Amino acid sequence: AQKVTQAQTEISVVEKEDVTLDCVYETRDTTYYLFWYKQPPSGELVFLIRRNSFDEQNEISGRYSWNFQKSTSSFNFTITASQVVDSAVYFCALLPGSARQLTFGSGTQLTVLP
Amino acid sequence: EAGVTQSPTHLIKTRGQQATLRCSPISGHTSVYWYQQALGLGLQFLLWYDEGEERNRGNFPPRFSGRQFPNYSSELNVNALELEDSALYLCASSFAGLAGGLDEQFFGPGTRLTVL
Repeated sequence: AQKVTQAQTEISVVEKEDVTLDCVYETRDTTYYLFWYKQPPSGELVFLIRRNSFDEQNEISGRYSWNFQKSTSSFNFTITASQVVDSAVYFCALLPGSARQLTFGSGTQLTVLP
Repeated sequence: EAGVTQSPTHLIKTRGQQATLRCSPISGHTSVYWYQQALGLGLQFLLWYDEGEERNRGNFPPRFSGRQFPNYSSELNVNALELEDSALYLCASSFAGLAGGLDEQFFGPGTRLTVL
């Protein structure tokens, strides 16, 4: 069975602060992908990043960075110098090699205050 | 390039009725997925279609069904609607089908179904 845990239900920061969203996953598959999606109030899920289970290299894209650690089954997401437009619900998701369905975490509501 | 499109945007039905939701994938994508996002239940996988066939379904009753057309668009049907079917229904598409790798799924804007 697959499981994704996002322990932080809500986070509130002031603009320009850095914020890290935690994600812990469980799977017995050796091949899998991990994703982060952003869901603004409009409801559409916006793809942010994909990592596969064989690539533990951390990635940086502008103000976004991701830290993938297989040893702790974690795939954390950091936003540097947060902006009001970053306010959204962020979902971590797991796609195992044995199935095509994404298993989502419960999401973290990020609010960035001006 | 157009993204995943869904129609209608909103749908209001009463208990016992049937609802039909539609999805058009990104051009070139052969797999279509349906997810339900109900309040308090999070995002849950419903169905996966590829090359016109249902390949996998989540833990939902048979009154949730669908199909995929030759042009890869898809329809989700919900029969005998219940109040708890009220949710945002998201469709996603990906390039990789059965023979491919694990490509990311791109989501449409969703259909918000309200059952009164």
